[in-house]
Amino acid sequence: ILNVEQSPQSLHVQEGDSTNFTCSFPSSNFYALHWYRWETAKSPEALFVMTLNGDEKKKGRISATLNTKEGYSYLYIKGSQPEDSATYLCAFGAGKSTFGDGTTLTVKP
Amino acid sequence: EAGVVQSPRYKIIEKKQPVAFWCNPISGHNTLYWYRQNLGQGPELLIRYENEEAVDDSQLPKDRFSAERLKGVDSTLKIQPAELGDSAVYLCASSLSRLGGGWETQYFGPGTRLLVL
Repeated sequence: ILNVEQSPQSLHVQEGDSTNFTCSFPSSNFYALHWYRWETAKSPEALFVMTLNGDEKKKGRISATLNTKEGYSYLYIKGSQPEDSATYLCAFGAGKSTFGDGTTLTVKP
Repeated sequence: EAGVVQSPRYKIIEKKQPVAFWCNPISGHNTLYWYRQNLGQGPELLIRYENEEAVDDSQLPKDRFSAERLKGVDSTLKIQPAELGDSAVYLCASSLSRLGGGWETQYFGPGTRLLVL
């Protein structure tokens, strides 16, 4: 069983704060790393898929980096807004996708 | 493009009762996944289909869970009989052709929230 860990488990920030969280995964036999956002009462939504060491992806105020050699990915949110409140899941693909437990972000107005 | 459709959205049943969940994937997606998500945890794969074939059901509790994907489109996941520990969110997802490496982005439905009393 692959161990995919996300930290922190939860995060409370004020509107306008920038924040980041981590996904750690096995560094061997890497295929892909996915980030999903899951808002309450909605479907999980794909943010990024990252496949190469050193990959950096950006979507608006959200960006992600990937280090396959040391087995981690960072997700950054610049200037958090209340609508960014959600659970952010990473999924490590090595034959099949294994999900972390997520980081739940709450942005207070 | 319509997304992944799941029904029902919510279900409350008493233990030992049967329950079934339905999923309609995105048109053209031949890979379909069923996940279970317990509170505070990430989605756990129950079964993956490539067209009609279940290619990974290693995590499916086969004593009480069953699934089918007739004609390689819609899918049904059944629990009989349900236990208290089955309370969770059941997610369906679909993706384009499976290359076997976890590359593909999965598109999720809204899930069915099951409460077993």
